Amino acid sequence: GAVVSQHPSWVICKSGTSVKIECRSLDFQATTMFWYRQFPKQSLMLMATSNEGSKATYEQGVEKDKFLINHASLTLSTLTVTSAHPEDSSFYICSAREGGGGSLQTQYFGPGTRLTVL
Amino acid sequence: LAKTTQPISMDSYEGQEVNITCSHNNIATNDYITWYQQFPSQGPRFIIQGYKTKVTNEVASLFIPADRKSSTLSLPRVSLSDTAVYYCLVVNTNAGKSTFGDGTTLTVKP
Repeated sequence: GAVVSQHPSWVICKSGTSVKIECRSLDFQATTMFWYRQFPKQSLMLMATSNEGSKATYEQGVEKDKFLINHASLTLSTLTVTSAHPEDSSFYICSAREGGGGSLQTQYFGPGTRLTVL
Repeated sequence: LAKTTQPISMDSYEGQEVNITCSHNNIATNDYITWYQQFPSQGPRFIIQGYKTKVTNEVASLFIPADRKSSTLSLPRVSLSDTAVYYCLVVNTNAGKSTFGDGTTLTVKP
């Protein structure tokens, strides 16, 4: 299957700083990528849909000014957590959608980024 | 987006076939079904997807009845390494996005 990478795999930062997480589709182009957050023992929660060349669409309750998403190319989307606080500590996972043109599209997920805010 | 309902947990033994059923009563015409496997501290891994009837690949089979209000993931001869959380997703063809349900925690015992 298609491969999606994330960088970094883990990050520890101080409260008040900003952290950028990169999501790349390595062997396919993705016009649409998704960002999820997962807390321990819970399911994945969709944060936003990232579309190449346009503004991201955020789910209800997700602060767009706090979680900045940029999808500048067909293989790269970035999530920046601005002014991070301890409650933002979580496992952030991206996915990229492959396929189209009448066929079923498949979402492939990255390995995730563990963010710890001190 | 159609809501999905799965059993919270299931136990099985090595070598057995495991069937996990997902209910999605409000599935729409443009929706299809995808199953993922997730291990702790890892991103979900794609298993299989389908629109109707039966789909089979090298690791699993997916059964979807004619009314498409449910689907069943079948894992043949599970091993200890199949212990994981399994998610059933209903994905809209146009929007592409989907909502994760609570998933099914499968525990395979020796």
